[in-house]
Amino acid sequence: EVQLLESGGGLVQPGGSLRLSCAASGFSFSNYVMTWVRQAPGKGLEWVSAISGSGGTIYYADSVKGRFTISRDNSKNTLYLQMNSLRDEDTAVYYCARVTSGWYGWLDPWGQGTLVNVSS
Amino acid sequence: DIQMTQSPSSLSASVGDRVTITCRASQSISDSLNWYQQKPGKAPHLLIYAASNLQSGVPSRFSGSGSGTDFALTISSLQPEDFATYYCQQSYTTLYTFGQGTKLQIK
Repeated sequence: EVQLLESGGGLVQPGGSLRLSCAASGFSFSNYVMTWVRQAPGKGLEWVSAISGSGGTIYYADSVKGRFTISRDNSKNTLYLQMNSLRDEDTAVYYCARVTSGWYGWLDPWGQGTLVNVSS
Repeated sequence: DIQMTQSPSSLSASVGDRVTITCRASQSISDSLNWYQQKPGKAPHLLIYAASNLQSGVPSRFSGSGSGTDFALTISSLQPEDFATYYCQQSYTTLYTFGQGTKLQIK
């Protein structure tokens, strides 16, 4: 069964840092583009970042560029999101998702999400 | 960036109704349009990919159509489990963007 399991969320003060992890199982992890999507409380979905299977190509939304870093460890089947200089508006549930069929495919499956709460 | 606009933002309907949600892209995206369903407290899950392809395991009452800039998700006969929020998403560019969502509520 294809599964994604996020961890690492929690309460952090503005200006602080947090690293999220997404453990993948049930598929050949290194063959897939992976992505992070977030959802602020009561709001819609916002794409955050994506990374190629090798890790050599990366994209970010403007809202997180320069503050967040996506990476992956294919030997551990794990995706990461390092979040620095966190702001109140970064408060959200963060989901990881697999991009099926190359860069221009669809997001399936999704993890269950991990909550990041930026507050003093 | 490509902007995605869904309408309506919310919709009230009854079990058995046929409903259609639309999604418009700010520029042509060919058929690179996907639809997701999200229930409260749960992760989104894929319903339709590449505009009109039904994801495995998704009931056939769901269908997608469109190409270019205008797309639609249709539910032919609403079931109680279909009351949820629906999002479109473009994958024409690597800066994936979502519509703002359509909340489908029971009338």
